[in-house]
Amino acid sequence: EIVMTQSPATLSVSPGERATLSCRASQSVSSNLAWYQQKPGQAPRLLIYAASTRATGIPARFSGSGSGTDFTLTISSLQSEDFAVYYCQQYNNWPRLTFGGGTKVEIK
Amino acid sequence: EVQLVESGGGLVQPGRSLRLSCAASGFTFDDYAIHWVRQPPGKGLEWVSGLSWNRHTIDYADSVTGRFTISRDNAKNSLYLQMNSLRPEDTALYYCAKVTGVPGGYYFDYWGQGTLVTVSS
Repeated sequence: EIVMTQSPATLSVSPGERATLSCRASQSVSSNLAWYQQKPGQAPRLLIYAASTRATGIPARFSGSGSGTDFTLTISSLQSEDFAVYYCQQYNNWPRLTFGGGTKVEIK
Repeated sequence: EVQLVESGGGLVQPGRSLRLSCAASGFTFDDYAIHWVRQPPGKGLEWVSGLSWNRHTIDYADSVTGRFTISRDNAKNSLYLQMNSLRPEDTALYYCAKVTGVPGGYYFDYWGQGTLVTVSS
């Protein structure tokens, strides 16, 4: 099983600042990585797929990068609606998909 | 509009069974793989099981292998999860999630709102 590790567990950021979230895979997943955003009481929402492609309707302040084992989600200027939990998910090892443990982005 | 609606959750004693359902609408159900993902209260997402559109590809997380069975009825646009020998650690919100139609794109573009399963005596 491919283990996905996210860091940090919690990130405290002020509105308008940049947030950088990391996701590391225990073995290469190529670019088969997605990012999701989850707000309290809501289902996850797809943000990024193929490591760097924004999903439909996702603002340009969200960007993804990386390949192989190391990935980054960057939120260039945090808006109030961006405070949430973010999960990465590998889909290289189909159909056994795995998620990272999540990073909570909170208001500083 | 794509919709996934889970049902069947509830309070169940350890060792008992429960069957979850996911009713899909707004897309051609036969064409897509659908998976179950769960989330224990206050914790992260855990992939549980997935089934391809033609039922040829199926897999389970190690934590549920031998106890859970995924199935689908394309005529009813529905996905199911038969959960046997339930344990307290199976307590979670269970989501069904639709896989994209992009070749090789095994990520989830739509999710239901989840159904809560609580395993407790």
